[in-house]
Amino acid sequence: GAGVSQSPSNKVTEKGKDVELRCDPISGHTALYWYRQSLGQGLEFLIYFQGNSAPDKSGLPSDRFSAERTGGSVSTLTIQRTQQEDSAVYLCASSLGALPHNEQFFGPGTRLTVL
Amino acid sequence: AQTVTQSQPEMSVQEAETVTLSCTYDTSESDYYLFWYKQPPSRQMILVIRQEAYKQQNATENRFSVNFQKAAKSFSLKISDSQLGDAAMYFCAYRSAGTASKLTFGTGTRLQVTL
Repeated sequence: GAGVSQSPSNKVTEKGKDVELRCDPISGHTALYWYRQSLGQGLEFLIYFQGNSAPDKSGLPSDRFSAERTGGSVSTLTIQRTQQEDSAVYLCASSLGALPHNEQFFGPGTRLTVL
Repeated sequence: AQTVTQSQPEMSVQEAETVTLSCTYDTSESDYYLFWYKQPPSRQMILVIRQEAYKQQNATENRFSVNFQKAAKSFSLKISDSQLGDAAMYFCAYRSAGTASKLTFGTGTRLQVTL
């Protein structure tokens, strides 16, 4: 594909349920980032992958949040036992490398609503 | 930790006029990158312009330019000849110059463009 894709585009779930959000980065991009954008806020970093490993998980807000990346490509962000405060847009970005001059290309995000 | 502040939640500009969006940041680092991203209603973040802190010359990309004041830790975006398509949320972001560094975002400025 030409850009970063994310699925689903929108997800509505009930409090307490688990959700999985998917990110397909640009082919060949080794670095992958997850960010969260809550209403009226800027983007908040969650986790960074280089290949399949996650050197920086410092932004994950609680142990209910986890992410993995397989084959150096697709990544899945899992939120267990969702809470209403988890409602946000979850954005994924990928870049050719992890150097600061490597532009991060963003996907369209997944809007998560927890009822 | 680095912080990014955008003190203008909303701005309005008439078509063909010029508008300046403000951004300040706080860091103890001497080498870093600064960015302006545009987020239209489609939610996809688009890189508008980038500035490397070690470069004194202000970055310019067509109608977009920045005023980078390193000592004042200020990084404003000027949009000249505003167009209807410029209407969006604009986010200022900071990135350390080290490898594998995340983007730290401000809370954004919503820009309206009127006829």
